[in-house]
Amino acid sequence: NAGVTQTPKFQVLKTGQSMTLQCAQDMNHNSMYWYRQDPGMGLRLIYYSASEGTTDKGEVPNGYNVSRLNKREFSLRLESAAPSQTSVYFCASSEQGAKNIQYFGAGTRLSVL
Amino acid sequence: AQSVTQPDIHITVSEGASLELRCNYSYGATPYLFWYVQSPGQGLQLLLKYFSGDTLVQGIKGFEAEFKRSQSSFNLRKPSVHWSDAAEYFCAVITSGTYKYIFGTGTRLKVLA
Repeated sequence: NAGVTQTPKFQVLKTGQSMTLQCAQDMNHNSMYWYRQDPGMGLRLIYYSASEGTTDKGEVPNGYNVSRLNKREFSLRLESAAPSQTSVYFCASSEQGAKNIQYFGAGTRLSVL
Repeated sequence: AQSVTQPDIHITVSEGASLELRCNYSYGATPYLFWYVQSPGQGLQLLLKYFSGDTLVQGIKGFEAEFKRSQSSFNLRKPSVHWSDAAEYFCAVITSGTYKYIFGTGTRLKVLA
């Protein structure tokens, strides 16, 4: 049982390039999330999808777009990467509901030069 | 607005010593509280959670946490630290109605042999 799988694990981009971070979960969870982690700032929510077919902005959505492709997959796209988007990105999933426990992927380390 | 504060950025303890990591939250209603651990290069793993009931909750790896409503705190403790506990620890609270986590900024634990 793989849990939450993120690809790629590492990526280096040049300013202005685009890329998509992939996330897939095999736990049949309804809700999925994208976070970024920066030193001294903890994890900040970029976008989330409460259920298949819905997406909502989180705390720091600017410069990102998301697609909930199906119940398993939730992708994060950077259309024109900027150095400020250098970060570690985590995908998570959970059962839908108030007491959700989120399960995290291993992260994608992105550097934008 | 809801918030989570982890006042200690870094903590160093000797192996075998006791540990307490502090977490304070600002939240109007009874919160749902979590502690997660992040080992180097890994995603976040749930240590324990508090929803209601007994205010002392037990988690994995010998950790426990106590919910104190009067102090708005949810401190994490372990009686005897092992070298493998070196990691970063995050406290989180669920926001009312949206089921989105708010994370603290994390406490990095170093364990001396």
